[in-house]
Amino acid sequence: DTAVSQTPKYLVTQMGNDKSIKCEQNLGHDTMYWYKQDSKKFLKIMFSYNNKELIINETVPNRFSPKSPDKAHLNLHINSLELGDSAVYFCASSQAGPTGELFFGEGSRLTVL
Amino acid sequence: AQSVTQLGSHVSVSEGALVLLRCNYSSSVPPYLFWYVQYPNQGLQLLLKYTSAATLVKGINGFEAEFKKSETSFHLTKPSAHMSDAAEYFCAVSEAPSNTGKLIFGQGTTLQVKP
Repeated sequence: DTAVSQTPKYLVTQMGNDKSIKCEQNLGHDTMYWYKQDSKKFLKIMFSYNNKELIINETVPNRFSPKSPDKAHLNLHINSLELGDSAVYFCASSQAGPTGELFFGEGSRLTVL
Repeated sequence: AQSVTQLGSHVSVSEGALVLLRCNYSSSVPPYLFWYVQYPNQGLQLLLKYTSAATLVKGINGFEAEFKKSETSFHLTKPSAHMSDAAEYFCAVSEAPSNTGKLIFGQGTTLQVKP
């Protein structure tokens, strides 16, 4: 059973389109995250939700809108895609607090043409 | 604000040789530190973490790291490299004192293992 699962694994789309990535965790964790990994493999946090409440929003353009319908799900919707949005997006989850291990999904590779 | 610097974006060792991946941190409060590994086309997996208990931390797959406050370092080592250790390694610090669980990652180090 996959602990943190993301869909789709690959997206290829044109500039200006809108796309969504879905994430689900079955670990019973309270906190979920979206991280972006760029072409140089640098990882940066985008958003974090704790029990459906947004707690981190790291100066991400408002074209990116996360949604957490319940604490096991965190989706990411991206409007008006730009070339610079091409990256791998990772969902992760953890128990609340600074020492909890993050469990990552396998990533969703977005390519904007 | 916390930060992490990984010295060496690419490290190459021979199979059976010592692995040493360097990580230095900057933090105004006692840090929580992590090493994660990323195999090709996969997500990140925790190798080990330091949370202010023992300064020498043992992790999975034979890796260990030592927290040295005087050097602000948390270097990752393995006595004998295996081909399967080839991957991307990330050092990270947990943002404090916000307790959000947010991790700040270093730039990553690619470990190549030569036969």
